[in-house]
Amino acid sequence: DQQVKQNSPSLSVQEGRISILNCDYTNSMFDYFLWYKKYPAEGPTFLISISSIKDKNEDGRFTVFLNKSAKHLSLHIVPSQPGDSAVYFCAATALYVGYQGAQKLVFGQGTRLTINP
Amino acid sequence: DVKVTQSSRYLVKRTGEKVFLECVQDMDHENMFWYRQDPGLGLRLIYFSYDVKMKEKGDIPEGYSVSREKKERFSLILESASTNQTSMYLCASSFYGGGGETQYFGPGTRLLVL
Repeated sequence: DQQVKQNSPSLSVQEGRISILNCDYTNSMFDYFLWYKKYPAEGPTFLISISSIKDKNEDGRFTVFLNKSAKHLSLHIVPSQPGDSAVYFCAATALYVGYQGAQKLVFGQGTRLTINP
Repeated sequence: DVKVTQSSRYLVKRTGEKVFLECVQDMDHENMFWYRQDPGLGLRLIYFSYDVKMKEKGDIPEGYSVSREKKERFSLILESASTNQTSMYLCASSFYGGGGETQYFGPGTRLLVL
């Protein structure tokens, strides 16, 4: 039962254009969402997050949009750069369900983004 | 900078062997996590710990156990390795802040069970 789904295993984008990565979730208890980026031979690194009380969060070239009614979020990268080539994981959690502050994250399958020069 | 280190980058073990994967973090984080990453499945939580000697099952704990005797160290144990445990294993840590804290990941251990 995949509660967080990234339906595109890969995406190829021209340098300088916009990259849009999508993520869907099924659990309505999720109220906090994160994007992680992973390069080969490295662990994932946190990129950006959004709480369910917002519908948009922006950090430089990265913007995350949340559509609660559709249970859908997306990550926009503008403009895309070659260094953005990596695997991107969407993750979700329910903030109020924590074990002494430890949040259980549920991850999607990942999308491999390739930026072509 | 937060540093999470894992004892091995690559391991090859035989079916039935007992396997220990070690993780150490240097930021005094309360929470530590073990995930496995498989193609098409993303990262799945095996076990986590929110304090020394405390552990909680994640989504796929079967065939695994954990140990946290010191705050900075979290070990994943495969009691009797099987071929379906061939995977990339990732350790993470976060501080206790009440919610939404970033998890910091180690570089991963790629385990092959023959």
